[in-house]
Amino acid sequence: DIQMTQSPSTLSASVGDRVTITCRASQSISSWLAWHQQKPGKAPKLLIYKASSLQSGVPSRFSGSGSGTEFTLTISSLQPDDFAAYYCQQYDSYPLTFGQGTRLEIK
Amino acid sequence: EVQLMESGGGLVQPGGSLRLSCAASGFTLSDHKMDWVRHAPGTGLEWVGRSRDKGNSYSTEYAASAKGRFTISRDDSKNSLFLQMNSLKTEDTAVYYCARADNSGFNNYWGQGTLVTVSS
Repeated sequence: DIQMTQSPSTLSASVGDRVTITCRASQSISSWLAWHQQKPGKAPKLLIYKASSLQSGVPSRFSGSGSGTEFTLTISSLQPDDFAAYYCQQYDSYPLTFGQGTRLEIK
Repeated sequence: EVQLMESGGGLVQPGGSLRLSCAASGFTLSDHKMDWVRHAPGTGLEWVGRSRDKGNSYSTEYAASAKGRFTISRDDSKNSLFLQMNSLKTEDTAVYYCARADNSGFNNYWGQGTLVTVSS
């Protein structure tokens, strides 16, 4: 199975900050990586697919990069609505796997 | 508009069974891969399994934790997806989401989830 490791587990930041979350795969997954946002008690929401493609309707302050085994999600200027949990997901091979999540908190 | 609505969650004793349903609207279920993903308290998201589309004969894949105990099926005439869960364990306690998958394989639409609690 492909293991996905996110860092950090928790991130404290302020409105307006630029933040970056990293996701590492235990083996190459090419660009078959998605990022999802989840707020407490809510369904996940797709932000990024194929490592860097922005899902329709997602604000342009979200961006993704990387390929192979190392990927990043960047939020260029944090907004109050962005404080949530973020998960990477590999869909290169079965079983599909998620990172353990990064909780983005208000500083 | 794509909508997914799960139902069937509840409290069940260890060793028991439960069948979850996911009602899909706004698209043709048979054209899409469909997944079940769960979120246990205090943990992250865990993929449970997948039903491929009609063109791929509705073949299935499962996580190791689900294999042999859980079965994904669908009724395309009712645009519905199901998750039959047998031999339930306390560690199966979670919110269960159904999610549509893009042709490439990532989940692009999610339901609101249904809570399954396995406890005596």
